[in-house]
Amino acid sequence: GAVVSQHPSWVICKSGTSVKIECRSLDFQATTMFWYRQFPKQSLMLMATSNEGSKATYEQGVEKDKFLINHASLTLSTLTVTSAHPEDSSFYICSASAGQGAGNYGYTFGSGTRLTVV
Amino acid sequence: QKEVEQDPGPLSVPEGAIVSLNCTYSNSAFQYFMWYRQYSRKGPELLMYTYSSGNKEDGRFTAQVDKSSKYISLFIRDSQPSDSATYLCAMRAGTGRRALTFGSGTRLQVQP
Repeated sequence: GAVVSQHPSWVICKSGTSVKIECRSLDFQATTMFWYRQFPKQSLMLMATSNEGSKATYEQGVEKDKFLINHASLTLSTLTVTSAHPEDSSFYICSASAGQGAGNYGYTFGSGTRLTVV
Repeated sequence: QKEVEQDPGPLSVPEGAIVSLNCTYSNSAFQYFMWYRQYSRKGPELLMYTYSSGNKEDGRFTAQVDKSSKYISLFIRDSQPSDSATYLCAMRAGTGRRALTFGSGTRLQVQP
């Protein structure tokens, strides 16, 4: 089945530094990747949608200059949290899609990254 | 009002019980309906996927979609302690926006 690898699984960083999270589709080409954020005991909130080779589309209220998304290849997307602050501490999850015709097959989720900013 | 409403629970049942999880939604454009299971500090894992209305069964799991009522359900038969997790419903439209809209998740605890 489709596998999405997300790294790191957890990271602690100092306030003001930047953190990069990688999401790789291991056995399929991900034309679209979705980045979600999840606070404790809450649901997944979509942050942005990225298509390979295009600029990401951010949801309302998500700062595109703070959460930089790169989707330069069909197997890799990265989320960089710039100038991180404690309020950015959260669980970040990526999801990869193989394309419209794949129905739900393409909605495979990574294992998530727990970011703690101290 | 949220597009997708889901009772957060927690729901506690004894081992072997039948579990019923539900979501309601307001967007009539939703065509694809999914149920995901999420263990603590892990990414969601797809359990069931249905298109439009109807029932779908896979082992101990049955998913039902009633588009006329904008109501979806997931039934778990013979529940096991290993089923203890958070269950998220998710859905999306047939065309246009492809991102999933999630319910808030229901925490399920199956007591041995």
